[in-house]
Amino acid sequence: NAGVTQTPKFQVLKTGQSMTLQCAQDMNHEYMSWYRQDPGMGLRLIHYSVGAGITDQGEVPNGYNVSRSTTEDFPLRLLSAAPSQTSVYFCASSFLNTEAFFGQGTRLTVV
Amino acid sequence: QQQVKQSPQSLIVQKGGISIINCAYENTAFDYFPWYQQFPGKGPALLIAIRPDVSEKKEGRFTISFNKSAKQFSLHIMDSQPGDSATYFCAASSAGNTPLVFGKGTRLSVIA
Repeated sequence: NAGVTQTPKFQVLKTGQSMTLQCAQDMNHEYMSWYRQDPGMGLRLIHYSVGAGITDQGEVPNGYNVSRSTTEDFPLRLLSAAPSQTSVYFCASSFLNTEAFFGQGTRLTVV
Repeated sequence: QQQVKQSPQSLIVQKGGISIINCAYENTAFDYFPWYQQFPGKGPALLIAIRPDVSEKKEGRFTISFNKSAKQFSLHIMDSQPGDSATYFCAASSAGNTPLVFGKGTRLSVIA
């Protein structure tokens, strides 16, 4: 049972480049979400999905896109990377209003 | 706006002591209050959670106290150990289509 799998673990991007952070879960959870973690800021919600084909914005959505074509996958796209997007990104999945399971994180540096 | 306020930001406790972390929330629709523990380089993992039909929940050395009227909840770690040194996050969500919102975290250091 893999749980929530994020790839890559580490990434360095140049300003203006685009990339996709991958997230997959094998627990058949309807809820999936992306958070970013910055020192002293806690976990801030970027985007979330309550099921395939349904996404919504969180607290800090600017500069990011998401889609949910299957229950298992919820990729996060950075359209044009900026240094302010340097952060650790976590994907999480859960059933409605229950324990959320987190991936191991992707540490992104934008130079 | 910050929906869940957590304090203190950091905490140093002697081995064997009691660690207490507090959280306050504003949204009265919240009905699920978990605490997550995070070690360096790892994702957060659920430690213990409570729903508002009870005022306290205990699992081993970890206890959540919940005060619905004050809109506050707290985590107590009894007999704190060096292995408890981690960052702790409180969070909240509701039965509607709302994901978890997190406090800013508390870095706990337990010293021998």
